[in-house]
Amino acid sequence: SYELTQPPSVSVSPGQTARITCSGDALPKKYAYWYQQKSGQAPVLVIYEDSKRPSGIPERFSGSSSGTMATLTISGAQVEDEADYYCYSTDSSGNRRVFGGGTKLTVL
Amino acid sequence: EVQLVESGGGLIQPGGSLRLSCAASGFNFSRYWMHWARQAPGKGLVWVSRINGEGSNTTYADSMKGRFTISRDNAKNTLFLQMNSLRAEDTAVYYCRVSSGAFDYWGQGTLVTVSS
Repeated sequence: SYELTQPPSVSVSPGQTARITCSGDALPKKYAYWYQQKSGQAPVLVIYEDSKRPSGIPERFSGSSSGTMATLTISGAQVEDEADYYCYSTDSSGNRRVFGGGTKLTVL
Repeated sequence: EVQLVESGGGLIQPGGSLRLSCAASGFNFSRYWMHWARQAPGKGLVWVSRINGEGSNTTYADSMKGRFTISRDNAKNTLFLQMNSLRAEDTAVYYCRVSSGAFDYWGQGTLVTVSS
């Protein structure tokens, strides 16, 4: 079955740039989406269709995709950005969806 | 305001069945694909299933295919997940979700615990 691979953890100091990667064989042809999940809460969409930001999401969140890797970038990470981040996409058939394993972002 | 409210979770013995519901409001329910996802305690998100607006097209994750059935009642704006032959590893919070581009909303989830 199709898999998306993320690093288990990323750590940065406040104000630094955090980059979280997501690799998958179908990403050259399928969009990547990114979700933020804080402890005990439902996930929140922060990036859709590789690089678009929903309204209400701070400008420091951006996304990109090249080849088999998608990247979520948080420019000037803040303490309140500490959360688990999940990439999400579709297999090559377009039928099944899949979440990456998640990346725990620590900002301290 | 978009709202998704799941219900039907609880404690169930291995091998048992459970039917989850998700009541939707605040959007044109019948126009959207709907999804179920789950999250085991302390673990990551897992996509479970999706269904198109008419209810005629369904897809499942490989590990749930044959045991889970997704359905919807557009007259009642309600999404369902019938879960059979439940296993300990199905223990998780189950979320319903609507997603179309930036239009992306999740319920708060309902906890299913499979244990004897």
